[in-house]
Amino acid sequence: EVQLVESGGDLVQPGGSLRLSCAASGFTFSSYSMNWVRQAPGKGLEWVSYISSSSDTISYADSVKGRFTISRDNAKNSLYLQMNSLRDEDTAVYYCARFGVYSSSSHWGQGTLVTVSS
Amino acid sequence: QSALTQPASVSGSPGQSITISCTGTSSDVGSYNLVSWYQQHPGKAPKFMIYEGNKRPSGVSDRFSGSKSGNTASLTISGLQAEDEADYYCCSYAGNTTWVFGGGTKLTVL
Repeated sequence: EVQLVESGGDLVQPGGSLRLSCAASGFTFSSYSMNWVRQAPGKGLEWVSYISSSSDTISYADSVKGRFTISRDNAKNSLYLQMNSLRDEDTAVYYCARFGVYSSSSHWGQGTLVTVSS
Repeated sequence: QSALTQPASVSGSPGQSITISCTGTSSDVGSYNLVSWYQQHPGKAPKFMIYEGNKRPSGVSDRFSGSKSGNTASLTISGLQAEDEADYYCCSYAGNTTWVFGGGTKLTVL
């Protein structure tokens, strides 16, 4: 069974930094591209970032470009999101999600809450 | 990277059919047959319901179907059931390994 477990969410002040992690199990992590998707409280889903299986292709939403960095460690079956210069509008539940351009499946974790507030 | 446009809410009675629209642009929905749909119950992670516009993952009821015409994709749920009450999101590939989601539609089963 595919499992994705996010961690690292916390309360952080504006301008601060946070690193999210996603532990993957139940599948060959190194074979799949991964994403981060976020959902602000009471709002819709917003795609944040993508990383290919070998990390050779990375992309970001305009709203986080230059502030967030996605990475992965295939040896540790883990996905990461380094978030810098955090803003109030970055407050959201952050989901780790396995899907790619041509995917007949899409698996998501339960999310981790990031709150940016002074 | 503007969000796809969905109606804020739709409703229907048990047994009826409803359709949720998802309007994008020629840069996303109109350019790719890569629209997916997600169902999300309160406090839960999204569930994958439709991919590549009209395909269902294994385990998803055939009451759910998708279609696309031009820059607009649609999700139809037939034979509405109480458990279908949820938020629904469309998602389109937008090129260069980027994606865009719709704003979401709240489905109420009357």
